Amino acid sequence: QKEVEQNSGPLSVPEGAIASLNCTYSDRGSQSFFWYRQYSGKSPELIMFIYSNGDKEDGRFTAQLNKASQYVSLLIRDSQPSDSATYLCAVNRGNRDDKIIFGKGTRLHILP
Amino acid sequence: NAGVTQTPKFRILKIGQSMTLQCTQDMNHNYMYWYRQDPGMGLKLIYYSVGAGITDKGEVPNGYNVSRSTTEDFPLRLELAAPSQTSVYFCASSYSSGSGNTIYFGEGSWLTVV
Repeated sequence: QKEVEQNSGPLSVPEGAIASLNCTYSDRGSQSFFWYRQYSGKSPELIMFIYSNGDKEDGRFTAQLNKASQYVSLLIRDSQPSDSATYLCAVNRGNRDDKIIFGKGTRLHILP
Repeated sequence: NAGVTQTPKFRILKIGQSMTLQCTQDMNHNYMYWYRQDPGMGLKLIYYSVGAGITDKGEVPNGYNVSRSTTEDFPLRLELAAPSQTSVYFCASSYSSGSGNTIYFGEGSWLTVV
């Protein structure tokens, strides 16, 4: 089982709708979880991080974490064409294991 | 504020050649990372460092070497380049690896081995 798994997509969502991106991880000891956005030919940029169970909201973005199910998701409300990108989930184990492991990303396409 | 600077941006290598990808950061970050990204794929960790003089292997270290003699610099050495090393390489840094500590990425280095 891969450490961090994401559906590669593409995920097509109409403009104005909610985009839902999912990520599962294999290491139950993982402590910190990140969502990065990457436009084609560019470097990744951080959208959000979460480390406690539940929801964390920042503008149009909401990260959801369920450690019991080893599942983290990103919701994008009122999707805009500029949200079209690849979204990378990343996980850090903590406990002096300082590696940050990325999933292969989900391509999101917002339909105008 | 330069952030994380990688050089070169583009390079073509012949099979068996060696080269060093340079990475420097001016944010006084302790942690530095090298990732590679193959087309349509996510980032794979090659090596990382938690401070000067300390390096450790990531997911795909074979064929690469690193050093961290200063806080600022974290060069990645490719020995005996192979076509399988054709990829985009990203250097990154962060204050720590924990929650809320953003990883800052360089702009990437596109490497082709022919």
